[in-house]
Amino acid sequence: DTEVTQTPKHLVMGMTNKKSLKCEQHMGHRAMYWYKQKAKKPPELMFVYSYEKLSINESVPSRFSPECPNSSLLNLHLHALQPEDSALYLCASSQDPGAKNIQYFGAGTRLSVL
Amino acid sequence: GEDVEQSLFLSVREGDSSVINCTYTDSSSTYLYWYKQEPGAGLQLLTYIFSNMDMKQDQRLTVLLNKKDKHLSLRIADTQTGDSAIYFCAESLNQAGTALIFGKGTTLSVSS
Repeated sequence: DTEVTQTPKHLVMGMTNKKSLKCEQHMGHRAMYWYKQKAKKPPELMFVYSYEKLSINESVPSRFSPECPNSSLLNLHLHALQPEDSALYLCASSQDPGAKNIQYFGAGTRLSVL
Repeated sequence: GEDVEQSLFLSVREGDSSVINCTYTDSSSTYLYWYKQEPGAGLQLLTYIFSNMDMKQDQRLTVLLNKKDKHLSLRIADTQTGDSAIYFCAESLNQAGTALIFGKGTTLSVSS
């Protein structure tokens, strides 16, 4: 089983709302990732969690706040977003963050900010 | 620096073979990957190859790696309309905790 589950699939929010994206995997992976993908573009890395600790933050604005409550769950808390933040948000996981970094992706949450 | 290049579009007829090419710049890459993304969906891992291999075959998919030229290709035999998607080449560098470096993606269009 190589399944990464993301909820919700679609999310529409206003610029003053607070919402959260959720990601779950039960493969025993110890590295989890958030990516942002705009239409017709490759995914852009946002955050990496390694053994439940934030290891990489790619200069993401503070209106995006990641959280890793345990080794199976990864959240992305959203607050005061801008319309340009509308995108597909992808979660991924890998067994560990080493060189054999085989990442498995979820189906994504399509976010629209009005 | 790190850079992965792909041609943007490929159009083939159903039943033909498709070859999607990719070049990368970092010689320390250890693993190279091919992902498929269908419209509105996430990324599906198709296959990967370790940098000390030249070729890997998996059913209709053949991956060729020319490490000297830093060139990677994905061949899809007997291409079907269901293969229409964006294909991303990605590399994983030889550093712990480094995420994937993606190419811009090749849009494969298969006509019947």
